[in-house]
Amino acid sequence: NAGVTQTPKFQVLKTGQSMTLQCAQDMNHEYMSWYRQDPGMGLRLIHYSVGAGITDQGEVPNGYNVSRSTTEDFPLRLLSAAPSQTSVYFCASSGGTGFSGNTIYFGEGSWLTVV
Amino acid sequence: AQSVTQLDSHVSVSEGTPVLLRCNYSSSYSPSLFWYVQHPNKGLQLLLKYTSAATLVKGINGFEAEFKKSETSFHLTKPSAHMSDAAEYFCVVSGDSNSGYALNFGKGTSLLVTP
Repeated sequence: NAGVTQTPKFQVLKTGQSMTLQCAQDMNHEYMSWYRQDPGMGLRLIHYSVGAGITDQGEVPNGYNVSRSTTEDFPLRLLSAAPSQTSVYFCASSGGTGFSGNTIYFGEGSWLTVV
Repeated sequence: AQSVTQLDSHVSVSEGTPVLLRCNYSSSYSPSLFWYVQHPNKGLQLLLKYTSAATLVKGINGFEAEFKKSETSFHLTKPSAHMSDAAEYFCVVSGDSNSGYALNFGKGTSLLVTP
């Protein structure tokens, strides 16, 4: 049981480049989400999905795209990287929402630097 | 809207002494509350969660937290600190559907444990 797997762990991008952060979970969870962590700001929600084919925006969605074609995978795409997107990105999944008391499982994070 | 405030950005304790990390919450309904720990350059690990069952919640590694509705608090405690407890701790409340069930993180408390 691998839990939530994120790749890559580290990435350096040039401004304007695009890339995809991968997230996969093997727990058959319906709810998946992406957060970014910036110093002194905690984690902020980028996008989330409540099931395959269903996605929606979180607090800071600009510059990012997501799709959910399968239950297992929830990739995050940076369309045209900007230095402001330098951050640590965390993928999370759960059987239901934290609002309902479900445990949220996080991946180990992806450190992204945009130069 | 739901939010949490961690009252101390840094806490320093000696090994073997009690730990107290303070968190106040704001919520218009009975909240789901969590404490997560993050070791340097690592992902987020769930310590414990409160979901309107017992008000005293026991977690991993000897941590526990007490939900006090009258004080809107959810402080994290441990009777005796270990060196391995040095990390960043986050108090978290789950949002409702209006926020995409986003987890609202506090800004974190950095725990330093000295020999």
